[in-house]
Amino acid sequence: NAGVTQTPKFRILKIGQSMTLQCTQDMNHNYMYWYRQDPGMGLKLIYYSVGAGITDKGEVPNGYNVSRSTTEDFPLRLELAAPSQTSVYFCASSYSDRVDGYTFGSGTRLTVV
Amino acid sequence: DAKTTQPNSMESNEEEPVHLPCNHSTISGTDYIHWYRQLPSQGPEYVIHGLTSNVNNRMASLAIAEDRKSSTLILHRATLRDAAVYYCILINGGATNKLIFGTGTLLAVQP
Repeated sequence: NAGVTQTPKFRILKIGQSMTLQCTQDMNHNYMYWYRQDPGMGLKLIYYSVGAGITDKGEVPNGYNVSRSTTEDFPLRLELAAPSQTSVYFCASSYSDRVDGYTFGSGTRLTVV
Repeated sequence: DAKTTQPNSMESNEEEPVHLPCNHSTISGTDYIHWYRQLPSQGPEYVIHGLTSNVNNRMASLAIAEDRKSSTLILHRATLRDAAVYYCILINGGATNKLIFGTGTLLAVQP
């Protein structure tokens, strides 16, 4: 049981480049989330999904896109990377709503130069 | 989303109990109280959650005030590994589940 797996662990992008951060979970969780954490700051919710085919914006969605074609996978797409997107990105999942704890991945550290 | 208020930082000595407070005076009847922690350079980790009654698990205890306007996370014997940022978060059962993080409490544990 791997939990929540994020790839890559580290990435350096040039301004204007695009990339996809991968997130997959093997716990059959319905809910999945993407957060970003800037240095010395708390986590901010980017996008979330309550099930396959359903996504919605969080607190800071600008510059990102997501899709949820399967229960297991929830990729985060950066189309035109900007220095302001330099951050650590965390993916999380939970089985249902408030009665279950969230499981977080180990993060992707992204630097845009 | 209902807000929570936590002290910015706290200190504890190793092997002593730690009581981390959280105020949530605008909590609604369907809000669950969740606690997470984040160790340095790691992702957040679920600690415990509850609705009305006190809760215990292998990591900690959660004491919830009778009026539910405050709660306390209790680490029974702090270890150096417990040094982390602790987040108290409310999740509204009447809306789509979203974990919204505040600034949390930075716990330092002295040997």
